[in-house]
Amino acid sequence: GAVVSQHPSWVICKSGTSVKIECRSLDFQATTMFWYRQFPKQSLMLMATSNEGSKATYEQGVEKDKFLINHASLTLSTLTVTSAHPEDSSFYICSASPVRTYGYTFGSGTRLTVV
Amino acid sequence: QKEVEQDPGPLSVPEGAIVSLNCTYSNSAFQYFMWYRQYSRKGPELLMYTYSSGNKEDGRFTAQVDKSSKYISLFIRDSQPSDSATYLCAMTPEYGNKLVFGAGTILRVKS
Repeated sequence: GAVVSQHPSWVICKSGTSVKIECRSLDFQATTMFWYRQFPKQSLMLMATSNEGSKATYEQGVEKDKFLINHASLTLSTLTVTSAHPEDSSFYICSASPVRTYGYTFGSGTRLTVV
Repeated sequence: QKEVEQDPGPLSVPEGAIVSLNCTYSNSAFQYFMWYRQYSRKGPELLMYTYSSGNKEDGRFTAQVDKSSKYISLFIRDSQPSDSATYLCAMTPEYGNKLVFGAGTILRVKS
């Protein structure tokens, strides 16, 4: 149980286009989801906390207009990278916290390459 | 000083060895502790989750939390080459709040 599904697993896009990444909780409801970015050989960097039915809370230094987060239902949060540039190329991962007895679970990640 | 300190390694051990991974933290409010294993280009996989102090065992894995020392450990018994990965500790003061991660320790188990 407590599975988080993330799609796509990898995507290549042209500079200037937008890319949407989906994060779904398959067997539980997630009022809160977290979006991370990870550079090679580094730990996870929290980008934002996604709250169902309200605006996301972004970490300092993260551009809200570039990384749009929508959490429209209790099982789906999306991250849209707008007007992507090569420097946005990275590994993006989502996470959710199911019931208190379980611990936080992560999606499989999305590797974004902007060319 | 970082809130959570974790030696990045790499830690290299022979197959079958007992592995000890550790994190120290400075925020005494942390109550929920997690260990993750992450393979290259994959999302972190939850290994162990503990609340407050104490020990927890699951198969070859044992997690220990010593809140008085602000120190957590993960032990892996009978280590296998497939255990070669990056191990991340993470913690939070309130369940549902954002996690604070260690830098991750690279483990290499040699056959």
